[in-house]
Amino acid sequence: GQQVMQIPQYQHVQEGEDFTTYCNSSTTLSNIQWYKQRPGGHPVFLIQLVKSGEVKKQKRLTFQFGEAKKNSSLHITATQTTDVGTYFCAGPPRSGNKLVFGAGTILRVKS
Amino acid sequence: EAGVAQSPRYKIIEKRQSVAFWCNPISGHATLYWYQQILGQGPKLLIQFQNNGVVDDSQLPKDRFSAERLKGVDSTLKIQPAKLEDSAVYLCASSLDTGPHNEQFFGPGTRLTVL
Repeated sequence: GQQVMQIPQYQHVQEGEDFTTYCNSSTTLSNIQWYKQRPGGHPVFLIQLVKSGEVKKQKRLTFQFGEAKKNSSLHITATQTTDVGTYFCAGPPRSGNKLVFGAGTILRVKS
Repeated sequence: EAGVAQSPRYKIIEKRQSVAFWCNPISGHATLYWYQQILGQGPKLLIQFQNNGVVDDSQLPKDRFSAERLKGVDSTLKIQPAKLEDSAVYLCASSLDTGPHNEQFFGPGTRLTVL
């Protein structure tokens, strides 16, 4: 079945440093969604990318969808303590509806 | 707009006991999902409903898990009997429709501990 892998599993950065997490799917995706889960909280939708090569920005967050629609990345510029949490990518295969989540990247920020 | 409601928030049971979780989705959302999130992992879809019909239950362990959404609104997920490996957070989510482009809204989850 479809697998979605994320790296790194965990990253600890100094406040103000940049952070990037990468997402790779074993199959071509119809779209990629990113969710953030704060410690003790539930996943909250951040963004969806649909087009091959698409890039979207939300303030300090930049999301990219690969040309082959099998990988994606999330880059945070100048991290803040409010960025702490686990970032999940999730995508349905081109032929299906079910969202398959990656294992997430845990971000910790030292102030 | 009220979010997805779930209860209880926490539940501790012994193995072989039964447990039920309840979810009330966002008003007007046709699609409801139950996910299992084991510590350190991403959410795994257990079952997806469109109104009161099942869209996908391929990863639901049907020998012990059951779910229903009788009137197309609230839903319950039951585990009978529970095993140690069922310890996880059970997340309910809803979306406007069932297509792959729909944003999912998650509830706070029920943390289940099986002893």
